[in-house]
Amino acid sequence: EAGVAQSPRYKIIEKRQSVAFWCNPISGHATLYWYQQILGQGPKLLIQFQNNGVVDDSQLPKDRFSAERLKGVDSTLKIQPAKLEDSAVYLCASSPQQGLNTEAFFGQGTRLTVV
Amino acid sequence: AQSVSQHNHHVILSEAASLELGCNYSYGGTVNLFWYVQYPGQHLQLLLKYFSGDPLVKGIKGFEAEFIKSKFSFNLRKPSVQWSDTAEYFCAVNADNDMRFGAGTRLTVKP
Repeated sequence: EAGVAQSPRYKIIEKRQSVAFWCNPISGHATLYWYQQILGQGPKLLIQFQNNGVVDDSQLPKDRFSAERLKGVDSTLKIQPAKLEDSAVYLCASSPQQGLNTEAFFGQGTRLTVV
Repeated sequence: AQSVSQHNHHVILSEAASLELGCNYSYGGTVNLFWYVQYPGQHLQLLLKYFSGDPLVKGIKGFEAEFIKSKFSFNLRKPSVQWSDTAEYFCAVNADNDMRFGAGTRLTVKP
């Protein structure tokens, strides 16, 4: 079974530039998550989708971050404009369903460095 | 909002030593509990999970964890660690459709 695919693996940009990350979840998984993992910290949920609808985006900095999952399959996360503090690993995860009694499967992440 | 606390930031052990990593959470309702491991350069992998039933959960690679509801804890244990267990370990709690992670514990096992 193919896992969660993310690209690119690494990205270096200057502050105030824009960047986009892509995620393809495990086939058939209805729920998709984007997490931000800053060095030395645990993953922090940015946004959760159920199919193509947003379930939770309460921790997404909406002035600069946006995400979409238009067809309910793959998803993109965009940062515009980037700040130095956005340097982190961005993790995508998927699960068969939302709610309890389900586990999330993680991709390898995209390491973003903002200089 | 719920929170997850991992007591140890960095643990250093010699091979064959026993391991216990602490995890506490704050949420009074029904929870799912997880331990994930992240080996250097790799993605997060599930070690074990608790949904319901026997509070002593066995996972991969000889790890186990015990859910103690009265203490809001889900500590990870391994009787004898190996050098290959060197990694970062994350406790996670899913409650009310809200998945939160602890800050992680870095485990270094000296050969």
